[in-house]
Amino acid sequence: TQLLEQSPQFLSIQEGENLTVYCNSSSVFSSLQWYRQEPGEGPVLLVTVVTGGEVKKLKRLTFQFGDARKDSSLHITAAQPGDTGLYLCAGVWGLRSTLTFGKGTMLLVSP
Amino acid sequence: ETGVTQTPRHLVMGMTNKKSLKCEQHLGHNAMYWYKQSAKKPLELMFVYNFKEQTENNSVPSRFSPECPNSSHLFLHLHTLQPEDSALYLCASTNTGELFFGEGSRLTVL
Repeated sequence: TQLLEQSPQFLSIQEGENLTVYCNSSSVFSSLQWYRQEPGEGPVLLVTVVTGGEVKKLKRLTFQFGDARKDSSLHITAAQPGDTGLYLCAGVWGLRSTLTFGKGTMLLVSP
Repeated sequence: ETGVTQTPRHLVMGMTNKKSLKCEQHLGHNAMYWYKQSAKKPLELMFVYNFKEQTENNSVPSRFSPECPNSSHLFLHLHTLQPEDSALYLCASTNTGELFFGEGSRLTVL
């Protein structure tokens, strides 16, 4: 069973602060996805990373894929209350075609 | 019209009831999934259907019975559930491996 660890589990910050959340595995990912799930909703895909060292930006969100493709990070600049939600990473290993999800990081941004 | 629609959004049932969850996708995808989301646990993959054929059953108890009559519709039939089956059940569809989720059906088993 492939394990995917996310940290921190919970993060509570004030509007305007910066933050980084992490996703780690002991195995090499074929690809990795980040999703955000708002309360009462299903997860929504934010980004897919495939290449080691890859950096992708989505407005105030910056996603980085580790050089060895075993880890990823999500950095949010100047967080806003609308960023509140559960951030999930999900990875694919080897020849598997289905995703394995981490437990997620619950982010709360207060005004 | 949202991409993936799940009904009902909320369901309360007793352990002896029979109920069904429905998922419909309007995205033209060929693969559909059922996931279970419980507190403090990762999303658990339950079933995968590709072109209406079940391609994965992740050791799910037989009290959960999926049905996929066509590529746009997916059902999860529920029978003799246990309180620990209370969770958010999410449907997703895809053609590329990037999942499009519905809003989920919140199930409470009394």
